[in-house]
Amino acid sequence: AQTVTQSQPEMSVQEAETVTLSCTYDTSESNYYLFWYKQPPSRQMILVIRQEAYKQQNATENRFSVNFQKAAKSFSLKISDSQLGDTAMYFCAFMSGYNNNDMRFGAGTRLTVKP
Amino acid sequence: KAGVTQTPRYLIKTRGQQVTLSCSPISGHRSVSWYQQTPGQGLQFLFEYFSETQRNKGNFPGRFSGRQFSNSRSEMNVSTLELGDSALYLCASSFSSGRGTDTQYFGPGTRLTVL
Repeated sequence: AQTVTQSQPEMSVQEAETVTLSCTYDTSESNYYLFWYKQPPSRQMILVIRQEAYKQQNATENRFSVNFQKAAKSFSLKISDSQLGDTAMYFCAFMSGYNNNDMRFGAGTRLTVKP
Repeated sequence: KAGVTQTPRYLIKTRGQQVTLSCSPISGHRSVSWYQQTPGQGLQFLFEYFSETQRNKGNFPGRFSGRQFSNSRSEMNVSTLELGDSALYLCASSFSSGRGTDTQYFGPGTRLTVL
């Protein structure tokens, strides 16, 4: 079974600085997708970034980028120029390419951006 | 386009009762997935419906059930409620092309409290 591990329950960063959230996963499959979702306090979960396992190039979305290390099964999220609005729970998620829509989530990292 | 909507947003029930939650996906999306979010267990996959059929199922007891209607709206039902069923229930929809995994878009959730 696939598992997703986020080893940092809480992190904090100063506004405008850069922070990296860690995620590792375990799978024997070769076709899969990885996601980072953001859940702001009392607000709904939104997709931050997505990575297809067959793509070697790391995904980037504005200030958000990932470091995808397939051999190491690592998928970290880097947030550059952190903003107060980035304060949220961040979930790393894995989805098999063979079993659509059964998404497995990590325990989450609570990120606080300080002014 | 309207996002995923869930009703009701908040619900209080007592042990032994049953409850029905509703989810309306984004227009054009045919897949609806349900997740349970608790502080202790995190986000756990309940089941996924596609074209009125349950396509995937997580490791939850039979008290948890769902269905999907021809307009892709979905309901989940929990019978004989237990205190441990108190959670935020999230619904997510995706287009689900069948050729791979599509991005899931989440609703705001239904907060269920069992007394």
